[in-house]
Amino acid sequence: KNEVEQSPQNLTAQEGEFITINCSYSVGISALHWLQQHPGGGIVSLFMLSSGKKKHGRLIATINIQEKHSSLHITASHPRDSAVYICAVVFSGTYKYIFGTGTRLKVLA
Amino acid sequence: DTAVSQTPKYLVTQMGNDKSIKCEQNLGHDTMYWYKQDSKKFLKIMFSYNNKELIINETVPNRFSPKSPDKAHLNLHINSLELGDSAVYFCASSPGGASTDTQYFGPGTRLTVL
Repeated sequence: KNEVEQSPQNLTAQEGEFITINCSYSVGISALHWLQQHPGGGIVSLFMLSSGKKKHGRLIATINIQEKHSSLHITASHPRDSAVYICAVVFSGTYKYIFGTGTRLKVLA
Repeated sequence: DTAVSQTPKYLVTQMGNDKSIKCEQNLGHDTMYWYKQDSKKFLKIMFSYNNKELIINETVPNRFSPKSPDKAHLNLHINSLELGDSAVYFCASSPGGASTDTQYFGPGTRLTVL
């Protein structure tokens, strides 16, 4: 079992749909990152969370420290949101930085 | 202006050769990283430097040697290249560490070992 699990692995949605991508981890963390990797390969950092919720445009990220779970939501999805979304955690008390396997999102027009 | 740049973008070389990939950031950040993304697209951290000092060194073969001449540069030198080293290598930087700050990624270097 991976220390960082993402679900679903693949997701196809219609334009305009509300999308949720989940990330679960096994031990205490000091921070969680959500990254977006475009089809061309470039990686962009979307959020860094240690508690609560953050919002940027149509993207919302939440984290529940007690449940060791984070979600990334995309409202009013658009084909340009098609990408791989990757969750990464920094484990507490260490510099250990582990990535999830990613969720491949395709939004159809 | 490019915030985090890597050179070269593509590198094709023979097994056994020694090669380097350069990374520069003009953001004034203190921390820089090297990541490897394998053929299955799985990202893994290799190294992290803070103010030219090594703070993360994951289980990477010692054929890989990072060098940080100053805090704006973190180069990756690879000796005796093997087929399994073929991957995309990403450099990144952040103001502080991964537990406190967002990271900014370079465009990646696709290494192919023949």
